[in-house]
Amino acid sequence: DAKTTQPTSMDCAEGRAANLPCNHSTISGNEYVYWYRQIHSQGPQYIIHGLKNNETNEMASLIITEDRKSSTLILPHATLRDTAVYYCIVRVAGAGSYQLTFGKGTKLSVIP
Amino acid sequence: DAGVIQSPRHEVTEMGQEVTLRCKPISGHNSLFWYRQTMMRGLELLIYFNNNVPIDDSGMPEDRFSAKMPNASFSTLKIQPSEPRDSAVYFCASSFGETGVETQYFGPGTRLLVL
Repeated sequence: DAKTTQPTSMDCAEGRAANLPCNHSTISGNEYVYWYRQIHSQGPQYIIHGLKNNETNEMASLIITEDRKSSTLILPHATLRDTAVYYCIVRVAGAGSYQLTFGKGTKLSVIP
Repeated sequence: DAGVIQSPRHEVTEMGQEVTLRCKPISGHNSLFWYRQTMMRGLELLIYFNNNVPIDDSGMPEDRFSAKMPNASFSTLKIQPSEPRDSAVYFCASSFGETGVETQYFGPGTRLLVL
């Protein structure tokens, strides 16, 4: 699986959009970009994933650059409950790639 | 919808004792994963079941660890005998599909402390 690079930490004002970047410059054509988050003392929570097109769900939007070497997770209106560590994961779509490998992630602090 | 359910949420035991962790996957899911998370090693996959059959147990640390999935709605992870280095948060996750690369949904975890 391709390696990802994320900033160690970020702050965001409550009510504003939180934009979390991820670099995955070695991504392969059959690798998906997944985002999970882990709120303190809870299990990892799936947020969104995509291959090449931008994706949106009730939690967030995922913007993937045309060359697929980077992506941005957008939380449109951050709340205090969005304070968590956010993990960008690249996974190949194929049998045997079921292990989720979490890096260090980005610690997002939403500030009142 | 009920998510993945794990019990107990917290467990404190003494070295040498047997510990059993329990997991109920999301109804309809046919893949189940046990992970362990520590500060030092991050999140590690211990074992992966598909349709109640263990597919990959290469992450199980040693013979002291065993996992079973007697039916589609229940799995156990047992440590016998437990050691202080087993202290960690143990997560169960489930997904629906055949390859295991489908989206995994995690339970709240069991915090294990072995004294």
